[in-house]
Amino acid sequence: EVQLVQSGGGLIQRGGSLRLSCAASGFTVSAHHFTWVRQAPGKGLEWVSLIYNYGSTYYPDSVKGRFTMSRDTSQNTLYLQMNSLRAEDTAVYYCASYGYIYPDAFDVWGQGAMVTVSS
Amino acid sequence: DIQMTQSPSSLSASAGDRVTITCRASQTISINLNWYQHKPGKAPKLLIYAAFSLESGVPSRFSGSGSGTEFTLTISSLQPEDFATYYCQQSYNTPWTFGQGTKVDIK
Repeated sequence: EVQLVQSGGGLIQRGGSLRLSCAASGFTVSAHHFTWVRQAPGKGLEWVSLIYNYGSTYYPDSVKGRFTMSRDTSQNTLYLQMNSLRAEDTAVYYCASYGYIYPDAFDVWGQGAMVTVSS
Repeated sequence: DIQMTQSPSSLSASAGDRVTITCRASQTISINLNWYQHKPGKAPKLLIYAAFSLESGVPSRFSGSGSGTEFTLTISSLQPEDFATYYCQQSYNTPWTFGQGTKVDIK
């Protein structure tokens, strides 16, 4: 069974840094595409980052230059390094596979991790 | 960026009702449109990909249609477990964007 298990959320001060982890089982992080999606309190879903199987990464303007998505193939784990955090980054963050089963869709999801940025 | 607009933002319905949610894109996105169901405290769940293809295991009361800029999610007979928020999402190009969501609650 394919699964993504997240860890690393918490409370952080504005301007601080935090790293989220997403451990994959049942599939290999280097062979597939993955993404992070977030939901701020009372808001909708927002795409945050993408890593293709060949390693290229993409971000929306809202996090570009502050967030970095990476992977550790030895640990079969994905990461989201978040720097210069702002109050508006407060959200539940989900990792998800992109196109693992279904083309061009977020199809396997982690359980989510809450990040709270205090001012 | 492609803007996705859902309507309505919320609706109240009873079990057994037929429910239709509309999603409009600010430019043509072919059939690069997905639908997700999201319940509080849970991860979103993919329901429909490529506008009208049902994810395996999703009940046949869910259906999707449309292409270009206008899309529809229909629940033919609402069940108690369907009360949730539904999001459309375009996968035509990055930045991938979601609609603002449609909350379906109990009348």
